[in-house]
Amino acid sequence: DTAVSQTPKYLVTQMGNDKSIKCEQNLGHDTMYWYKQDSKKFLKIMFSYNNKELIINETVPNRFSPKSPDKAHLNLHINSLELGDSAVYFCASSLTSYEQYFGPGTRLTVT
Amino acid sequence: AQSVTQLGSHVSVSEGALVLLRCNYSSSVPPYLFWYVQYPNQGLQLLLKYTSAATLVKGINGFEAEFKKSETSFHLTKPSAHMSDAAEYFCAVSGKSGGSNYKLTFGKGTLLTVNP
Repeated sequence: DTAVSQTPKYLVTQMGNDKSIKCEQNLGHDTMYWYKQDSKKFLKIMFSYNNKELIINETVPNRFSPKSPDKAHLNLHINSLELGDSAVYFCASSLTSYEQYFGPGTRLTVT
Repeated sequence: AQSVTQLGSHVSVSEGALVLLRCNYSSSVPPYLFWYVQYPNQGLQLLLKYTSAATLVKGINGFEAEFKKSETSFHLTKPSAHMSDAAEYFCAVSGKSGGSNYKLTFGKGTLLTVNP
């Protein structure tokens, strides 16, 4: 049983396209997150949702729009993709303020 | 606001040698601290956590870390390195981000290589 899963694992697309990444957790957690890991491995939080409500939005371009249909799912939609969006995107989940559990990541390559 | 500094972006040790990965934090309140490990092309796996209980924390795979408030440090150690320990290691601090919500702030990571 995969605790936090993401699809797809790899995503190659052209500039200007719109794409989505899906995340699901089966841990019963109430908070989910999206992180971006750049080419230097630096991890930065993008968004956080608690019980389907957006609670953290860290100066991310409006082209990125998270959507949480329920507590177990948090999707990330990206409009008008740019070269600089190429990165690995990680979904994570947690219960209250403690440790976060990460998905396997989605490697996005924009050409 | 909290921050994390990992000293040394790359640490190289011989198999069987002591592993020491350094982490210093900055936090205005008592912190929750974590070490995560990332193997190539994988997600992050929690190694251990400090949540204001015992200052010496034991984690998985023989790793441990000691919280030292006076030094604002949370260094990760393992007595004897194994080839399978080669990975990227991230120190992180959890702090409030508005209201009662928390977020993780990560250090820049330390790549550990283990030589045979």
